[in-house]
Amino acid sequence: QKEVEQNSGPLSVPEGAIASLNCTYSDRGSQSFFWYRQYSGKSPELIMSIYSNGDKEDGRFTAQLNKASQYVSLLIRDSQPSDSATYLCAVERGRLTFGEGTQLTVNP
Amino acid sequence: GAGVSQTPSNKVTEKGKYVELRCDPISGHTALYWYRQSLGQGPEFLIYFQGTGAADDSGLPNDRFFAVRPEGSVSTLKIQRTERGDSAVYLCASSFQGGWNSPLHFGNGTRLTVT
Repeated sequence: QKEVEQNSGPLSVPEGAIASLNCTYSDRGSQSFFWYRQYSGKSPELIMSIYSNGDKEDGRFTAQLNKASQYVSLLIRDSQPSDSATYLCAVERGRLTFGEGTQLTVNP
Repeated sequence: GAGVSQTPSNKVTEKGKYVELRCDPISGHTALYWYRQSLGQGPEFLIYFQGTGAADDSGLPNDRFFAVRPEGSVSTLKIQRTERGDSAVYLCASSFQGGWNSPLHFGNGTRLTVT
């Protein structure tokens, strides 16, 4: 079992829709969870961090964490073409471990 | 302000050669990380420095890989006897004080191609 698994992509949504990105992790002792965005040919950039169960909202982005289910998600509301990128889930347990990423395309 | 700087941006080398990849972190950041990213994959942890010392080098794949950070600032990742499987983008990141609630700032990476 992979330490961090993300829903297989690519994911394609129309402009203005909600994009939902999912991630599960295997180490129940993990404490910190992150979403990074990576544009093609560029380096990852942090967009959200979440440490406790529940929802955390930042603008159009909402991160959700359920430690009992070992599940993290990212919702992007009112998706824009500029949101088209690969989204990486990262989980901390002594080291920061990344999932393989989900490629999102927002169609105008 | 300057971000994390990595040089070279691209490196092509022949199988069996030695390469050095350089990372200049954000000024004042004590923590420095090296990751490796292959096409279609997420970044893979290699090594983490806190100051001058390697706090966690458990991600280095084998003894051909070595990294240093002698003055607690610039770091060099060294790969001996390169193999084609070493081809990837090598990412460096720094953070203000380490600890996973201190955001990582990534450089643009060095794309290594071993022919």
